[in-house]
Amino acid sequence: ELKVEQNPLFLSMQEGKNYTIYCNYSTTSDRLYWYRQDPGKSLESLFVLLSNGAVKQEGRLMASLDTKARLSTLHITAAVHDLSATYFCAVDGGTSYGKLTFGQGTILTVHP
Amino acid sequence: GAVVSQHPSWVICKSGTSVKIECRSLDFQATTMFWYRQFPKQSLMLMATSNEGSKATYEQGVEKDKFLINHASLTLSTLTVTSAHPEDSSFYICSARDPLGGRQPQHFGDGTRLSIL
Repeated sequence: ELKVEQNPLFLSMQEGKNYTIYCNYSTTSDRLYWYRQDPGKSLESLFVLLSNGAVKQEGRLMASLDTKARLSTLHITAAVHDLSATYFCAVDGGTSYGKLTFGQGTILTVHP
Repeated sequence: GAVVSQHPSWVICKSGTSVKIECRSLDFQATTMFWYRQFPKQSLMLMATSNEGSKATYEQGVEKDKFLINHASLTLSTLTVTSAHPEDSSFYICSARDPLGGRQPQHFGDGTRLSIL
């Protein structure tokens, strides 16, 4: 059974600071996704990582994938309040119909 | 881009009522749709995989007689919460897989907030 673990689960940080969220998964996969969820809303796709060594950047967020270590990171640079949200990683377990297994989520709060 | 419409967005009803939630893929044909449930401050939990023209596949621990899924067409799947009780109150999110959709594995609906009094 595929398991996906995120760390940390809660993160409170000051504006302007940097931090990294980690996503570990238990079985071989080379397809990993990061989503953002605002309170009361559905998921917004942030990054699609489809191969070992993939690195994607959008604004103050950068995601990477190491399939050998079964690890993905979401790095936050110079955080701003607008980044406050819950972030999920999800792994495609390799089924033909695209079933995803989600991490527990990281609740991020950015304060002045 | 691909859009998945979920309806209603919020429903409040009395205990014992059955509630139907619709999930539509608006610009692609989805042979597979997924239904998730999310409690406050928790992750998405897959309830079932809905396949067009066949029975849904339920995850372990999900009562198939309680959560009825119908995927009668390539653009519509419905989830009916039968005889809903307060413990069924949750945020329900559907997603649809576009087999020609390339990089995105699933396209998510906006979710339905279900509150049972």
